[in-house]
Amino acid sequence: DTGVSQDPRHKITKRGQNVTFRCDPISEHNRLYWYRQTLGQGPEFLTYFQNEAQLEKSRLLSDRFSAERPKGSFSTLEIQRTEQGDSAMYLCATPAGGNTIYFGEGSWLTVV
Amino acid sequence: GNSVTQMEGPVTLSEEAFLTINCTYTATGYPSLFWYVQYPGEGLQLLLKATKADDKGSNKGFEATYRKETTSFHLEKGSVQVSDSAVYFCALSGDTGFQKLVFGTGTRLLVSP
Repeated sequence: DTGVSQDPRHKITKRGQNVTFRCDPISEHNRLYWYRQTLGQGPEFLTYFQNEAQLEKSRLLSDRFSAERPKGSFSTLEIQRTEQGDSAMYLCATPAGGNTIYFGEGSWLTVV
Repeated sequence: GNSVTQMEGPVTLSEEAFLTINCTYTATGYPSLFWYVQYPGEGLQLLLKATKADDKGSNKGFEATYRKETTSFHLEKGSVQVSDSAVYFCALSGDTGFQKLVFGTGTRLLVSP
């Protein structure tokens, strides 16, 4: 039990389409993180929320990406006009005590 | 900026062999250090952590010691099992007060019977 549920687990979409991923923390956390992991690489930080506020965004997050956390609980990550380079696993994470975070199972995106 | 360097894989071992996966880091201040494991088709799981110099993190027979003098956090296990086959990621978290992790590229471990 990682404390985070992500949906969908897998998504195949055509280039140019929009996709949205959802992250639901099982328990309340002030902070929520999004990471991206491409094949053969380690995860890379995308953005994080403190309650509803999006406090930091990576340069990886182009203007086609938008993340929200409207009520300070669940979060969504939308990718508009998908490109093949967006194919990756999108990971949501929440704090787990100390300086540790727990990751969800991830949402795999394949852009064809 | 902060960075993590891991040994390239795959690391191929026979069951019951000794495992070492090297990890070195570059960071300002006093980072926390982590090892995460990713089994095939699954997400990342925290394996162990160390938050200050000379701390030893341990879990499931794996150990790693935070060595500030050599900026290293090598992962070791005395006797690997086939079920340990996975990708192992070394990571650090800066002392900024929030958990922005910087990961290495991962090392794949393959253990044969």
